Amino acid sequence: ETGVTQSPTHLIKTRGQQVTLRCSSQSGHNTVSWYQQALGQGPQFIFQYYREEENGRGNFPPRFSGLQFPNYSSELNVNALELDDSALYLCASSPGTALSRNEQFFGPGTRLTVL
Amino acid sequence: QKEVEQDPGPLSVPEGAIVSLNCTYSNSAFQYFMWYRQYSRKGPELLMYTYSSGNKEDGRFTAQVDKSSKYISLFIRDSQPSDSATYLCAMSASDDMRFGAGTRLTVKP
Repeated sequence: ETGVTQSPTHLIKTRGQQVTLRCSSQSGHNTVSWYQQALGQGPQFIFQYYREEENGRGNFPPRFSGLQFPNYSSELNVNALELDDSALYLCASSPGTALSRNEQFFGPGTRLTVL
Repeated sequence: QKEVEQDPGPLSVPEGAIVSLNCTYSNSAFQYFMWYRQYSRKGPELLMYTYSSGNKEDGRFTAQVDKSSKYISLFIRDSQPSDSATYLCAMSASDDMRFGAGTRLTVKP
C-alpha cells in the first residue's frame, strides 16, 4: 500500500506566474484535501475533492483551483501568484467525504517559494 | 481572537519526562478533536482522534477533551528523543477543520 505522494518537492516561481501542484492519494482513498501551511503556522484548509467534484472550500480566493481525476489523484492550481502564497502545500487523502470523521493521511508537501 | 489557540512553545524536556500540550478554542460547534505530529520537512501524522468530551489513551499518549471549558490536551508519558517534533491540535465541525499553530517539542537524551 503506497502512501500519499506529492510533486514536486520544491518549486520557485515569480510573482504573477501560475503553478500546478500534484498529489496521488493513498490506495483506496477517494477524497483529497489541500492545505496551505505558512512557516510557523498550522495548515489552513483550501478545498476538498470527492469523486472529481469540489466538496467544501476554505477562505481562499478563486485563483486557487483544483481538479480530481478518475484515479482520485488531484491537482492544485494557483494563478497570479503573490508573495504571500509562499508556503508548504499539503495534500491529504481519506476514505470518506467528511473532513472531520475520517483519518486523513498527509503527503510530505510541496514547498513553494514566490519571489 | 483565533478560533484555535495553541501554546507556542518551544518546549524542551529531558528524556522520560511527562509532556503536556494544550489548545483552547472558541467555536462550540467543534465535535472532533485531533492531535497531529509533524517532523521537520514532513507532512502531519495523525496521533489521536477523539469525538466530544472525554479521555482516550493509546500507549504513551493520552488525549483529553473538555468541551465545557473548550480545552483539549495531549499528554506524552516517558517522552523519548524520537518524540521531538511539532505537535498540532486540530478540531472540526461538519466540513470545517481548523489547526492550531503547533508546539515545537524537543526531548533531550
